[in-house]
Amino acid sequence: DAGITQSPRYKITETGRQVTLMCHQTWSHSYMFWYRQDLGHGLRLIYYSAAADITDKGEVPDGYVVSRSKTENFPLTLESATRSQTSVYFCASSEGQRTQPQHFGDGTRLSIL
Amino acid sequence: AQSVTQLDSQVPVFEEAPVELRCNYSSSVSVYLFWYVQYPNQGLQLLLKYLSGSTLVESINGFEAEFNKSQTSFHLRKPSVHISDTAEYFCASLGGSYIPTFGRGTSLIVHP
Repeated sequence: DAGITQSPRYKITETGRQVTLMCHQTWSHSYMFWYRQDLGHGLRLIYYSAAADITDKGEVPDGYVVSRSKTENFPLTLESATRSQTSVYFCASSEGQRTQPQHFGDGTRLSIL
Repeated sequence: AQSVTQLDSQVPVFEEAPVELRCNYSSSVSVYLFWYVQYPNQGLQLLLKYLSGSTLVESINGFEAEFNKSQTSFHLRKPSVHISDTAEYFCASLGGSYIPTFGRGTSLIVHP
Protein backbone atom coordinates (compact mmCIF):
# COMPACT_ATOMS: atom_id res chain seq x y z
CA ASP A 1 0.00 0.00 0.00
CA ALA A 2 1.18 3.50 -0.77
CA GLY A 3 2.02 5.62 2.21
CA ILE A 4 4.49 6.27 4.93
CA THR A 5 5.09 3.69 7.62
CA GLN A 6 6.98 3.88 10.87
CA SER A 7 8.29 1.01 12.93
CA PRO A 8 8.11 0.05 15.66
CA ARG A 9 4.90 1.75 16.84
CA TYR A 10 5.92 1.34 20.47
CA LYS A 11 9.33 0.88 22.02
CA ILE A 12 10.61 0.69 25.57
CA THR A 13 14.33 0.79 26.19
CA GLU A 14 16.85 1.75 28.85
CA THR A 15 19.12 4.74 29.18
CA GLY A 16 22.39 4.32 27.35
CA ARG A 17 21.04 1.90 24.77
CA GLN A 18 21.10 2.58 21.06
CA VAL A 19 17.74 2.53 19.36
CA THR A 20 16.75 3.04 15.73
CA LEU A 21 13.37 4.18 14.52
CA MET A 22 12.50 3.29 10.96
CA CYS A 23 10.60 5.29 8.37
CA HIS A 24 9.66 4.13 4.89
CA GLN A 25 7.68 5.96 2.21
CA THR A 26 6.41 4.64 -1.09
CA TRP A 27 5.82 7.91 -2.97
CA SER A 28 9.47 8.67 -3.85
CA HIS A 29 9.08 12.04 -2.16
CA SER A 30 12.32 13.98 -2.15
CA TYR A 31 11.95 15.50 1.33
CA MET A 32 11.71 13.55 4.56
CA PHE A 33 11.52 14.83 8.13
CA TRP A 34 11.75 13.62 11.71
CA TYR A 35 9.81 15.38 14.46
CA ARG A 36 9.30 14.79 18.12
CA GLN A 37 6.03 15.70 19.79
CA ASP A 38 5.95 16.58 23.46
CA LEU A 39 3.23 18.11 25.58
CA GLY A 40 3.60 21.86 25.64
CA HIS A 41 6.12 21.93 22.81
CA GLY A 42 4.06 20.89 19.80
CA LEU A 43 6.13 19.45 16.97
CA ARG A 44 9.86 20.04 16.95
CA LEU A 45 11.98 19.25 13.92
CA ILE A 46 14.94 16.98 14.64
CA TYR A 47 16.45 16.38 11.19
CA TYR A 48 15.35 16.59 7.61
CA SER A 49 16.59 15.38 4.27
CA ALA A 50 16.17 17.00 0.86
CA ALA A 51 17.28 13.92 -1.09
CA ALA A 52 19.26 10.73 -0.74
CA ASP A 53 22.61 11.38 0.97
CA ILE A 54 21.59 14.95 1.90
CA THR A 55 20.59 15.59 5.51
CA ASP A 56 20.45 18.66 7.69
CA LYS A 57 19.80 19.58 11.30
CA GLY A 58 16.52 20.89 12.55
CA GLU A 59 15.65 22.60 15.80
CA VAL A 60 16.63 19.79 18.24
CA PRO A 61 19.27 17.52 16.64
CA ASP A 62 21.47 16.78 19.66
CA GLY A 63 21.63 13.10 20.56
CA TYR A 64 20.21 11.94 17.22
CA VAL A 65 21.75 10.63 14.02
CA VAL A 66 20.08 10.13 10.64
CA SER A 67 21.02 8.66 7.32
CA ARG A 68 19.40 8.45 3.93
CA SER A 69 21.09 6.02 1.63
CA LYS A 70 17.85 5.38 -0.29
CA THR A 71 15.13 7.86 -1.17
CA GLU A 72 12.40 5.80 0.50
CA ASN A 73 14.07 5.22 3.88
CA PHE A 74 15.02 7.68 6.59
CA PRO A 75 16.02 5.97 9.86
CA LEU A 76 16.54 7.93 13.07
CA THR A 77 19.05 6.61 15.61
CA LEU A 78 19.42 7.56 19.23
CA GLU A 79 23.03 6.58 19.86
CA SER A 80 22.82 6.58 23.66
CA ALA A 81 19.25 7.07 24.78
CA THR A 82 18.43 9.45 27.61
CA ARG A 83 15.18 9.87 29.54
CA SER A 84 14.69 13.31 28.01
CA GLN A 85 14.31 11.58 24.65
CA THR A 86 11.11 9.88 25.79
CA SER A 87 8.62 11.19 23.29
CA VAL A 88 6.40 10.43 20.33
CA TYR A 89 8.38 10.54 17.10
CA PHE A 90 6.84 11.31 13.73
CA CYS A 91 8.29 10.86 10.31
CA ALA A 92 6.93 12.88 7.40
CA SER A 93 7.60 13.27 3.71
CA SER A 94 6.79 15.84 1.05
CA GLU A 95 7.32 16.40 -2.64
CA GLY A 96 9.57 19.38 -2.00
CA GLN A 97 7.21 21.92 -3.47
CA ARG A 98 5.93 24.73 -1.30
CA THR A 99 2.37 24.15 -2.46
CA GLN A 100 2.35 20.55 -1.29
CA PRO A 101 1.66 19.42 2.25
CA GLN A 102 3.58 16.95 4.34
CA HIS A 103 2.41 13.36 4.79
CA PHE A 104 2.90 11.91 8.24
CA GLY A 105 3.36 8.42 9.59
CA ASP A 106 1.41 7.26 12.63
CA GLY A 107 4.32 7.78 14.99
CA THR A 108 6.55 5.77 17.30
CA ARG A 109 5.93 6.09 21.02
CA LEU A 110 9.34 5.73 22.67
CA SER A 111 9.81 5.31 26.40
CA ILE A 112 13.28 5.38 27.93
CA LEU A 113 13.54 4.05 31.45
CA ALA B 1 12.08 34.20 9.91
CA GLN B 2 8.62 32.75 10.01
CA SER B 3 6.46 32.06 13.01
CA VAL B 4 3.00 30.62 13.56
CA THR B 5 1.00 31.35 16.69
CA GLN B 6 -2.04 29.39 17.72
CA LEU B 7 -3.64 31.55 20.32
CA ASP B 8 -5.50 28.85 22.23
CA SER B 9 -3.93 25.67 23.52
CA GLN B 10 -7.32 24.16 24.32
CA VAL B 11 -10.84 24.93 23.11
CA PRO B 12 -13.75 23.17 24.83
CA VAL B 13 -17.10 23.34 23.08
CA PHE B 14 -20.46 21.57 23.18
CA GLU B 15 -21.61 19.38 20.33
CA GLU B 16 -23.44 21.24 17.54
CA ALA B 17 -22.00 24.59 18.65
CA PRO B 18 -19.80 26.66 16.32
CA VAL B 19 -16.06 26.84 16.87
CA GLU B 20 -13.13 28.97 15.77
CA LEU B 21 -9.50 27.97 16.18
CA ARG B 22 -7.21 30.93 15.78
CA CYS B 23 -3.93 31.05 13.89
CA ASN B 24 -1.69 34.02 13.19
CA TYR B 25 1.45 33.91 11.11
CA SER B 26 4.37 36.19 10.43
CA SER B 27 6.57 36.07 7.40
CA SER B 28 8.66 38.43 5.33
CA VAL B 29 7.74 36.55 2.16
CA SER B 30 4.48 35.28 0.75
CA VAL B 31 3.35 32.10 2.42
CA TYR B 32 1.25 29.07 1.86
CA LEU B 33 -0.89 28.08 4.83
CA PHE B 34 -2.14 24.72 6.03
CA TRP B 35 -4.32 23.25 8.74
CA TYR B 36 -3.63 19.71 9.87
CA VAL B 37 -5.69 17.50 12.20
CA GLN B 38 -4.30 14.83 14.51
CA TYR B 39 -6.61 12.21 15.95
CA PRO B 40 -5.47 10.20 19.00
CA ASN B 41 -2.61 7.80 18.30
CA GLN B 42 -2.31 8.94 14.71
CA GLY B 43 -0.11 11.22 12.67
CA LEU B 44 -1.12 14.59 11.29
CA GLN B 45 -3.43 14.68 8.28
CA LEU B 46 -3.98 17.63 5.97
CA LEU B 47 -7.34 19.29 6.62
CA LEU B 48 -7.16 22.19 4.16
CA LYS B 49 -4.69 24.57 2.56
CA TYR B 50 -4.52 28.07 1.18
CA LEU B 51 -2.25 28.58 -1.80
CA SER B 52 -3.74 31.50 -3.72
CA GLY B 53 -7.03 32.76 -5.16
CA SER B 54 -10.15 32.70 -3.01
CA THR B 55 -9.33 33.56 0.57
CA LEU B 56 -11.93 31.12 1.88
CA VAL B 57 -10.96 27.46 1.67
CA GLU B 58 -13.06 24.50 2.70
CA SER B 59 -12.50 20.92 3.74
CA ILE B 60 -14.68 17.94 2.93
CA ASN B 61 -15.89 17.58 6.52
CA GLY B 62 -17.35 21.04 7.02
CA PHE B 63 -14.34 23.03 8.24
CA GLU B 64 -13.35 26.26 6.54
CA ALA B 65 -10.53 28.73 6.96
CA GLU B 66 -10.15 32.28 5.79
CA PHE B 67 -6.86 33.83 4.77
CA ASN B 68 -6.66 37.43 5.95
CA LYS B 69 -3.50 39.09 4.72
CA SER B 70 -4.01 42.40 6.52
CA GLN B 71 -4.46 40.63 9.86
CA THR B 72 -1.95 37.87 9.02
CA SER B 73 -4.46 35.31 10.16
CA PHE B 74 -5.76 31.96 8.97
CA HIS B 75 -8.48 31.04 11.45
CA LEU B 76 -10.27 27.70 11.22
CA ARG B 77 -14.03 27.55 11.70
CA LYS B 78 -16.84 25.07 11.75
CA PRO B 79 -20.49 26.10 12.18
CA SER B 80 -21.53 22.93 14.05
CA VAL B 81 -19.06 20.50 15.59
CA HIS B 82 -19.44 16.80 16.24
CA ILE B 83 -17.96 14.59 18.93
CA SER B 84 -15.78 13.07 16.23
CA ASP B 85 -14.09 16.45 15.66
CA THR B 86 -12.29 16.07 18.98
CA ALA B 87 -8.62 16.19 18.00
CA GLU B 88 -5.49 18.29 17.96
CA TYR B 89 -5.32 20.91 15.21
CA PHE B 90 -2.11 22.39 13.86
CA CYS B 91 -1.66 25.47 11.73
CA ALA B 92 1.45 25.57 9.52
CA SER B 93 3.06 27.92 7.05
CA LEU B 94 5.49 27.45 4.20
CA GLY B 95 7.43 30.52 3.15
CA GLY B 96 10.83 30.78 1.55
CA SER B 97 11.94 27.21 2.14
CA TYR B 98 10.49 23.70 2.00
CA ILE B 99 10.56 23.39 5.78
CA PRO B 100 7.16 24.19 7.28
CA THR B 101 6.71 26.17 10.46
CA PHE B 102 4.10 24.68 12.79
CA GLY B 103 2.09 26.27 15.55
CA ARG B 104 2.01 24.52 18.90
CA GLY B 105 -1.41 23.06 18.29
CA THR B 106 -4.92 23.58 19.65
CA SER B 107 -6.76 20.76 21.36
CA LEU B 108 -10.43 20.84 20.36
CA ILE B 109 -12.57 19.05 22.93
CA VAL B 110 -16.19 18.52 21.97
CA HIS B 111 -18.54 17.71 24.84
CA PRO B 112 -21.91 15.97 24.40
